[in-house]
Amino acid sequence: ELKVEQNPLFLSMQEGKNYTIYCNYSTTSDRLYWYRQDPGKSLESLFVLLSNGAVKQEGRLMASLDTKARLSTLHITAAVHDLSATYFCAGAYNFNKFYFGSGTKLNVKP
Amino acid sequence: EPEVTQTPSHQVTQMGQEVILRCVPISNHLYFYWYRQILGQKVEFLVSFYNNEISEKSEIFDDQFSVERPDGSNFTLKIRSTKLEDSAMYFCASRVEGYEQYFGPGTRLTVT
Repeated sequence: ELKVEQNPLFLSMQEGKNYTIYCNYSTTSDRLYWYRQDPGKSLESLFVLLSNGAVKQEGRLMASLDTKARLSTLHITAAVHDLSATYFCAGAYNFNKFYFGSGTKLNVKP
Repeated sequence: EPEVTQTPSHQVTQMGQEVILRCVPISNHLYFYWYRQILGQKVEFLVSFYNNEISEKSEIFDDQFSVERPDGSNFTLKIRSTKLEDSAMYFCASRVEGYEQYFGPGTRLTVT
């Protein structure tokens, strides 16, 4: 079974600061996914990382994947309050069985 | 923009009752999924469905659960005899041949 661990679980940061969320996974994953969830809402797909060394950026968020270290990171640059949400990473087995991390609840304080 | 829809948004049922949660995936999508999320916890995969059959399922998806695509547009999750611990948010998702899943808004199931 693919185990996915995120840290930190809670992150409180000031606007304008940078921080990184880490996602470790236990065995080979076909892909690595990042999602955002606002309170009481559904999941929004942020990034899909396909191969070793993949890097994707959207606005203040940048995700990367190191398959050798079984590590993905989600880097937040110059955080703004609108980024406050819970962020999940997920791995996939056989492209169709997904394992989610516990989530990182991000609170960006003005 | 096309989206995944789910009904009802909230379902309250008594323990032991059967419930059917309904989803309408995006029309040209081929892969369909059900997930659940107990309040404040992580998202748990239940089942994936492709070409009219289950392709993967988790340990949670036992004999009490079943899925069906009855008419080419709906995708349903049935829980035969609900337990208190089935109370959760249930999300449907779909994707086309590719990698990104699109999630529906969810159905909150409360078992009393």
